[in-house]
Amino acid sequence: DSGVTQTPKHLITATGQRVTLRCSPRSGDLSVYWYQQSLDQGLQFLIQYYNGEERAKGNILERFSAQQFPDLHSELNLSSLELGDSALYFCASSVAGGAPGELFFGEGSRLTVL
Amino acid sequence: DAKTTQPPSMDCAEGRAANLPCNHSTISGNEYVYWYRQIHSQGPQYIIHGLKNNETNEMASLIITEDRKSSTLILPHATLRDTAVYYCIVRVAGTNAGKSTFGDGTTLTVKP
Repeated sequence: DSGVTQTPKHLITATGQRVTLRCSPRSGDLSVYWYQQSLDQGLQFLIQYYNGEERAKGNILERFSAQQFPDLHSELNLSSLELGDSALYFCASSVAGGAPGELFFGEGSRLTVL
Repeated sequence: DAKTTQPPSMDCAEGRAANLPCNHSTISGNEYVYWYRQIHSQGPQYIIHGLKNNETNEMASLIITEDRKSSTLILPHATLRDTAVYYCIVRVAGTNAGKSTFGDGTTLTVKP
């Protein structure tokens, strides 16, 4: 158990819909990262937040947005869903702050768009 | 972040050492080398990291070349449960360490 909690574990929805994925980082971790993993693909970095502020952005689509709340949990919002958005979405957290902290990953949210 | 290159797949006999190479020829001086593995579709699991010196922990050893352009992850006595995709990434420490780009990794298959 990494200490990172993601909900929901599985989600099935239709094209055009909007979903929200939630991540609770490990206690004390200030950084949250979101990754997308499509079938048989590597992990694509989407976005990072540190203590509520966006710190780094990857190839995140404009239809996707994220935020980190004062209690440090984070949400990834996916809108106008397309079939190609079906993937595993992972959240990771780290201590950051200058230390070479490793990333602790949650078990992911599997999104299926029909 | 520097890119990494790994062989797509490797086999290893159970009980033998598994040596997984990674090339990171464009690594910067402030970038660490990290190794993770992903078993099936579970969340990736941290294995080990290093900057310059070789490192060892209860899971594996990490050998980094003197010029830091490549590294090798060593699983000393591979078991069937070590079958996974192994990712080598390089990233900067600190709050802006976000763009930890994972490549395609190496699929290690441990065979009986």
